[in-house]
Amino acid sequence: NAGVTQTPKFQVLKTGQSMTLQCAQDMNHEYMSWYRQDPGMGLRLIHYSVGAGITDQGEVPNGYNVSRSTTEDFPLRLLSAAPSQTSVYFCASSHGTVYTFGSGTRLTVV
Amino acid sequence: SQQGEEDPQALSIQEGENATMNCSYKTSINNLQWYRQNSGRGLVHLILIRSNEREKHSGRLRVTLDTSKKSSSLLITASRAADTASYFCATDASGGATNKLIFGTGTLLAVQP
Repeated sequence: NAGVTQTPKFQVLKTGQSMTLQCAQDMNHEYMSWYRQDPGMGLRLIHYSVGAGITDQGEVPNGYNVSRSTTEDFPLRLLSAAPSQTSVYFCASSHGTVYTFGSGTRLTVV
Repeated sequence: SQQGEEDPQALSIQEGENATMNCSYKTSINNLQWYRQNSGRGLVHLILIRSNEREKHSGRLRVTLDTSKKSSSLLITASRAADTASYFCATDASGGATNKLIFGTGTLLAVQP
């Protein structure tokens, strides 16, 4: 049972480039979400999904897109990377209230 | 945002001592959870306390919740070096509709051997 798998673990982008952070879970959880973690600011919610085909914005959605075509996958797309998007990104899933987190993607935008 | 605030931001203690972390939040909640994050890793769920509960125990962890003060505390007893990590509180105010959790800023706990 892999839980929540995030790829890649590390990524360096140039300003203006686009990329997709992958998140997959094998627990058949309906709810999935993306957070970014910055020093001194805790985790901030970017986007979330309550099931396949349904997504909604969190606290800091600007510059990011998501889709949920399957229950298992919830990719996060950076449309045009900016240095302000340098962060550690975490994906999480849940069936009830308790979250299971992935191990994170450390993204640097130069 | 109803982000929780943890206090203190950082805490350093000796092995065997107790560690207490506090969390304050802004709006009514259904439950409050505590998570732990080891350096460079994802968060791991520790304990959940519902809004109608006042205290809960799990091993060396004791959580209290005071909904009138909108605050919670996490007590780790007889701390070990392996307890060194960041600890976050998270609140769910969605009524179960979305499972959306809002996290606090965390307390960095260092347990000296």
